[in-house]
Amino acid sequence: SQTIHQWPATLVQPVGSPLSLECTVEGTSNPNLYWYRQAAGRGLQLLFYSVGIGQISSEVPQNLSASRPQDRQFILSSKKLLLSDSGFYLCAWTPGTSLSWGLGELFFGEGSRLTVL
Amino acid sequence: AQSVAQPEDQVNVAEGNPLTVKCTYSVSGNPYLFWYVQYPNRGLQFLLKYITGDNLVKGSYGFEAEFNKSQTSFHLKKPSALVSDSALYFCAVRDFKGYSSASKIIFGSGTRLSIRP
Repeated sequence: SQTIHQWPATLVQPVGSPLSLECTVEGTSNPNLYWYRQAAGRGLQLLFYSVGIGQISSEVPQNLSASRPQDRQFILSSKKLLLSDSGFYLCAWTPGTSLSWGLGELFFGEGSRLTVL
Repeated sequence: AQSVAQPEDQVNVAEGNPLTVKCTYSVSGNPYLFWYVQYPNRGLQFLLKYITGDNLVKGSYGFEAEFNKSQTSFHLKKPSALVSDSALYFCAVRDFKGYSSASKIIFGSGTRLSIRP
């Protein structure tokens, strides 16, 4: 069966420090991968999505970047954190096969809570 | 642009009563609609989806949703609420553009469901 892992689960970082959040998916190949941010326990904002290694689409201009160095690994990064980067970050995946990706639901990780002080 | 609206920030229901959580959508092309639930400090869990077929879709934990094309709505329902149903519920839409391109999944702002004993 497929599983998705996110780490770290919680992170407290000072303003101006770098960030790296990791997400890996097991039990599938060529997944579509997504990073969402949830602020104040409410709506989800799509930050990045990826359909393959090295292919990243950015949804909003911001202080963050994403990379996909391996098929099942998705990394969210920042060189210098801002206070406004605080939030709950969720990684998700859907099957990447052409017959099913357009119809499939998202499978979410357990999230990474980032607090920038 | 595709969008999803959840007009109620909070819904309060007594245990045993029916519940409805509202969702309306706006997309170009065919709508692929989803409901997710989120418990505190957790990732989102998939409840149900509408792709095509019957307008009444049944999902996990006794939930169902009714797709109404003329009203562009996809309301979540349950005949008899449980205290354990208390959580944050998200409606989402995928604008399916075809097999050759990635599609986005857009979430509503969420509705907090509170079931009182």
